[in-house]
Amino acid sequence: DTAVSQTPKYLVTQMGNDKSIKCEQNLGHDTMYWYKQDSKKFLKIMFSYNNKELIINETVPNRFSPKSPDKAHLNLHINSLELGDSAVYFCASRTTGRSTEAFFGQGTRLTVV
Amino acid sequence: DAKTTQPNSMESNEEEPVHLPCNHSTISGTDYIHWYRQLPSQGPEYVIHGLTSNVNNRMASLAIAEDRKSSTLILHRATLRDAAVYYCILRDNNAGNMLTFGGGTRLMVKP
Repeated sequence: DTAVSQTPKYLVTQMGNDKSIKCEQNLGHDTMYWYKQDSKKFLKIMFSYNNKELIINETVPNRFSPKSPDKAHLNLHINSLELGDSAVYFCASRTTGRSTEAFFGQGTRLTVV
Repeated sequence: DAKTTQPNSMESNEEEPVHLPCNHSTISGTDYIHWYRQLPSQGPEYVIHGLTSNVNNRMASLAIAEDRKSSTLILHRATLRDAAVYYCILRDNNAGNMLTFGGGTRLMVKP
């Protein structure tokens, strides 16, 4: 079983569309994240979600919104997609604590045309 | 937030040891030092972490300076599969328990 799984793996869509990326973890972790990796390969934290507390990176446009139906899922909704949203998006999870490791999904490559 | 500094890239020969340095001069007393790596076309994966003492696991060793202002990830015998970007991260004691990635070190392994 994959610990952190994302769907879809690839997503090609037109500008202006609304899309969602799903993330599920089966590790029983209480904290989940979304990261964005752009063409320059920098990994940038977007959101952290822990026990219904959402921490947002202030640089993330409000077109991006995470939704957590339950503790095992943190989906990413993106409204009015723009060309600059093209990137690889990674979901991750971990247990709260400074000494615990994070597990990452395989990523979703989003291409906006 | 405490920051880390790593060389942009390093090269190694296959089956030789590799020492990947990381400077973190503003580390706080309770920050853990984490290392992750990202293989091509994959998500980051955990390698090792430590607080004060040196650490060993099946993947690597972590040597932490006595003043904790620097650390070194040691791959004892590099293989071609170890070619990746290696990230040294300080575990921020902030809300959200976020892992903040820097630029990392791209390790190239030559056969």
